[in-house]
Amino acid sequence: GQSLEQPSEVTAVEGAIVQINCTYQTSGFYGLSWYQQHDGGAPTFLSYNALDGLEETGRFSSFLSRSDSYGYLLLQELQMKDSASYFCAVDMGSNYQLIWGAGTKLIIKP
Amino acid sequence: KAGVTQTPRYLIKTRGQQVTLSCSPISGHRSVSWYQQTPGQGLQFLFEYFSETQRNKGNFPGRFSGRQFSNSRSEMNVSTLELGDSALYLCASSSQGDEQYFGPGTRLTVT
Repeated sequence: GQSLEQPSEVTAVEGAIVQINCTYQTSGFYGLSWYQQHDGGAPTFLSYNALDGLEETGRFSSFLSRSDSYGYLLLQELQMKDSASYFCAVDMGSNYQLIWGAGTKLIIKP
Repeated sequence: KAGVTQTPRYLIKTRGQQVTLSCSPISGHRSVSWYQQTPGQGLQFLFEYFSETQRNKGNFPGRFSGRQFSNSRSEMNVSTLELGDSALYLCASSSQGDEQYFGPGTRLTVT
């Protein structure tokens, strides 16, 4: 089957750097996406890796290694507003759906 | 551009009833996907529509159905509601199928 695994919760300190990992057991996907969801809100798109390597968007970076079946989201200079759940998802392309991880709740302490 | 809108935002129903939820995608987006989200869970894929055609369906019972209209607006219907159907139902639209734009969701409570 197809599955993605993420840690259920990660705690970090304001101003620090945190990495949220996503390991997957699926093949033939087009790319790996990351979404952020604040409590009570809707998921919002953060980044998409179609190719192996690092994609950087401001304080957020995302990495994909297909050979290692692994990706991660890196958040730098953490701010309290980054407290949210973060989901990885793989784009299966030809069957028009995203497969989602269960999400990682990021808790930021002052 | 206006974002994805979903109506209603909140709904309370009793077991055995049916419910219809509505989603209006971003103008120009022809793909609409529906998801169910329960506390502490990821998003469970329900179905995806493109140009009025269901292209894929998730692993949900036949009580869950949907449709898409010619203006790309979409509805999903749940018949014979069960307590376990209580969840946040999210709709997302996209133009190319990669980045999805989500609506605020409909929070359904079944009592």
